[in-house]
Amino acid sequence: EAGVTQFPSHSVIEKGQTVTLRCDPISGHDNLYWYRRVMGKEIKFLLHFVKESKQDESGMPNNRFLAERTGGTYSTLKVQPAELEDSGVYFCASSPSTGGTEAFFGQGTRLTVV
Amino acid sequence: RKEVEQDPGPFNVPEGATVAFNCTYSNSASQSFFWYRQDCRKEPKLLMSVYSSGNEDGRFTAQLNRASQYISLLIRDSKLSDSATYLCVVNYYSNYQLIWGAGTKLIIKP
Repeated sequence: EAGVTQFPSHSVIEKGQTVTLRCDPISGHDNLYWYRRVMGKEIKFLLHFVKESKQDESGMPNNRFLAERTGGTYSTLKVQPAELEDSGVYFCASSPSTGGTEAFFGQGTRLTVV
Repeated sequence: RKEVEQDPGPFNVPEGATVAFNCTYSNSASQSFFWYRQDCRKEPKLLMSVYSSGNEDGRFTAQLNRASQYISLLIRDSKLSDSATYLCVVNYYSNYQLIWGAGTKLIIKP
């Protein structure tokens, strides 16, 4: 069974450019989460989808970040325009049900804004 | 105060030693608890869920103390392959977010 996959694995962009990260969750998982880890800090929650609906987006840092989950399948996270402080590793995770169950993580996208 | 706090690292221990990590959480409404392991430049992977009664998986033992709001992870007979960052994770049923500790880096030396 395929795990959570993320694309690209690495991205280096200039400040002011736009980047779109993609996450394909495990098939059948209704819950999809985005997290971010910046250098030296703990992993932070960004948002949570249940199917195509945003259940909780309280962790989104500002309106430069836009997440979508078309048809409740894959999700994209767009950063526009990117700033230097957006650099970090963006993880996506999925789980079959909420509350007390394991979340399966993708390998992450390492974003570097220069 | 952070919601989830872990022992600062790194822990440098010789192979074969026993090592213990502690993690405290601030929200008494926390419902489920996990230890994840993250290898360098890899994604976090679930190591163990932590149950109220405590649980053991081979060389690993996890315990939960709700009264004192902490969880622990004990690794016995440590192996070189145990070297990684160990992340304490707390889940609140109310909003289903996973709240992460900053992680404790473990280095096992031969």
